[in-house]
Amino acid sequence: NAGVMQNPRHLVRRRGQEARLRCSPMKGHSHVYWYRQLPEEGLKFMVYLQKENIIDESGMPKERFSAEFPKEGPSILRIQQVVRGDSAAYFCASSIQDDTEAFFGQGTRLTVV
Amino acid sequence: RKEVEQDPGPFNVPEGATVAFNCTYSNSASQSFFWYRQDCRKEPKLLMSVYSSGNEDGRFTAQLNRASQYISLLIRDSKLSDSATYLCVVNSGGGSNYKLTFGKGTLLTVNP
Repeated sequence: NAGVMQNPRHLVRRRGQEARLRCSPMKGHSHVYWYRQLPEEGLKFMVYLQKENIIDESGMPKERFSAEFPKEGPSILRIQQVVRGDSAAYFCASSIQDDTEAFFGQGTRLTVV
Repeated sequence: RKEVEQDPGPFNVPEGATVAFNCTYSNSASQSFFWYRQDCRKEPKLLMSVYSSGNEDGRFTAQLNRASQYISLLIRDSKLSDSATYLCVVNSGGGSNYKLTFGKGTLLTVNP
């Protein structure tokens, strides 16, 4: 049973470009969460999704960031018009229910140059 | 006050040593508490949940003091493989665990 798969592992974007981060949850998991880890900081919750629904996006920046978890395919975290401050590790996690253990993917390290 | 605050570290200990990490949290509504382990540039992995009665898993013992809003992790007979960053994690309150708040982590290096 493969774990949570994120790709790409590393992503370099120039300021103003778009970044698309993908996350495939563990088999049988329908709850997906995105976290961001800025340099020298702890992980911060961004958004919680179930299939085709955003349940809680209270941790998402109001502009430029969006997330989806379509009926088919991986969850996508999209950052438009990236800025240097978006450089961080973005971790996706999934779980069977929202009160069971969440398993993390290996993260996507975004570098904005 | 930060939501989750940990010992700044780093901790450098010899093999076989006992090491303790402390953590405080600010949200009194938090109901679930965890210690995660994160190896360098890897994903966080659940080490153990923390219960009010205290719990032990092999060489690891976790304690929770709700009155003081304080969590601890004790590692006995430390191994080289214990070298990692240890993250104190609490949920945001309520019954679900999805909105986790992570501390910055404490780096542990176990030396031969």
